[in-house]
Amino acid sequence: GAVVSQHPSRVICKSGTSVKIECRSLDFQATTMFWYRQFPKQSLMLMATSNEGSKATYEQGVEKDKFLINHASLTLSTLTVTSAHPEDSSFYICSARDPRGAEAEAFFGQGTRLTVV
Amino acid sequence: AQKITQTQPGMFVQEKEAVTLDCTYDTSDPSYGLFWYKQPSSGEMIFLIYQGSYDQQNATEGRYSLNFQKARKSANLVISASQLGDSAMYFCAMREYITGNQFYFGTGTSLTVIP
Repeated sequence: GAVVSQHPSRVICKSGTSVKIECRSLDFQATTMFWYRQFPKQSLMLMATSNEGSKATYEQGVEKDKFLINHASLTLSTLTVTSAHPEDSSFYICSARDPRGAEAEAFFGQGTRLTVV
Repeated sequence: AQKITQTQPGMFVQEKEAVTLDCTYDTSDPSYGLFWYKQPSSGEMIFLIYQGSYDQQNATEGRYSLNFQKARKSANLVISASQLGDSAMYFCAMREYITGNQFYFGTGTSLTVIP
């Protein structure tokens, strides 16, 4: 089946630094990818929709200057957390739609656990 | 209003028994899809089963089946013959195909299978 790969799975960074998270679709081209954030024991919250070749669409309340999204190719989207602070510590997970799927189901990456110290 | 409601924060089931995880949804979109995902402690989201709003029959995938009651707007997940490895968080999700295609997730149900 379709696979979405996310890297890194865990990252610890110092406050004030930036962290880049990659999301790749391995065997299909994804014109649209989604970025979610999940706090402990809570549901997934959509942060933004990443569109290949155009600007990302951010959900209300998500700072676009802090969470930079780049979808430069049909198989890669990146999320960069800029000037990270401890409150940015969370689980970030991406998903991509396989347009070949009859039900247009989405597959998720393995997630990235970010800890800002 | 909540798009997806999961009213069971935690559930326990005896190994080899069946368990039903509840999910209700709210939409005015005529075309939508309902999904169930499993999230083990590792964090990855594992796709389990899908039901389209126009599908006449309930979806089944191995030990998973989806009890789709369109008029009641419910999409309960039934896991038969529970196994210890089924212990995880389970999320119900919906995608509205006309209004935006984004996923709406429920708050999840934590399932514990007891040996």
